[in-house]
Amino acid sequence: NAGVTQTPKFQVLKTGQSMTLQCAQDMNHEYMSWYRQDPGMGLRLIHYSVGAGITDQGEVPNGYNVSRSTTEDFPLRLLSAAPSQTSVYFCASSYFGSPQETQYFGPGTRLLVL
Amino acid sequence: AQTVTQSQPEMSVQEAETVTLSCTYDTSENNYYLFWYKQPPSRQMILVIRQEAYKQQNATENRFSVNFQKAAKSFSLKISDSQLGDTAMYFCAFSGNQFYFGTGTSLTVIP
Repeated sequence: NAGVTQTPKFQVLKTGQSMTLQCAQDMNHEYMSWYRQDPGMGLRLIHYSVGAGITDQGEVPNGYNVSRSTTEDFPLRLLSAAPSQTSVYFCASSYFGSPQETQYFGPGTRLLVL
Repeated sequence: AQTVTQSQPEMSVQEAETVTLSCTYDTSENNYYLFWYKQPPSRQMILVIRQEAYKQQNATENRFSVNFQKAAKSFSLKISDSQLGDTAMYFCAFSGNQFYFGTGTSLTVIP
């Protein structure tokens, strides 16, 4: 049972490049979410999904896209990277289709946009 | 909108002593959960303790306990017998329709 996995661990992008941050979980969790962590600001919700085929925006969705074609995977896409997207990104999941349950976090992806 | 406030950006405690981290939140919801997560230098987010709002009894997990005051919307974390491994960033979180995190308290345990 690997829990929540994220790839890559670290990535450097140039402004305007696109990339996809991968997130997978093997716990059959319905709820999955993406957060970004910036110094002094805690974790802020980007997008979330309450099940396959269903996604919604969080607090800071601009510049990011998501899709949920399977229960296991929830990739986060940056269409045109900007320096303001330099951050640490965390994927999380929880059992029910509700965030009230305990969320389990991946190890994070550190992204640097030059 | 829900807000979570941690007013202590940094704290320190001597090894084996007790420390309390503060957290307040604002919500109009009646059914919610509260959490404390620990983030050591490895960056991994680790659940420390969870409290259901409908339960009056304060949650405890070994050396960790909470003081949940629903009317005051306060949710503090007490760490007893502090250990060097407790050195980390601690985040308070509120969960209703979405998860909201505070800005964190950096705790250093001094040998």
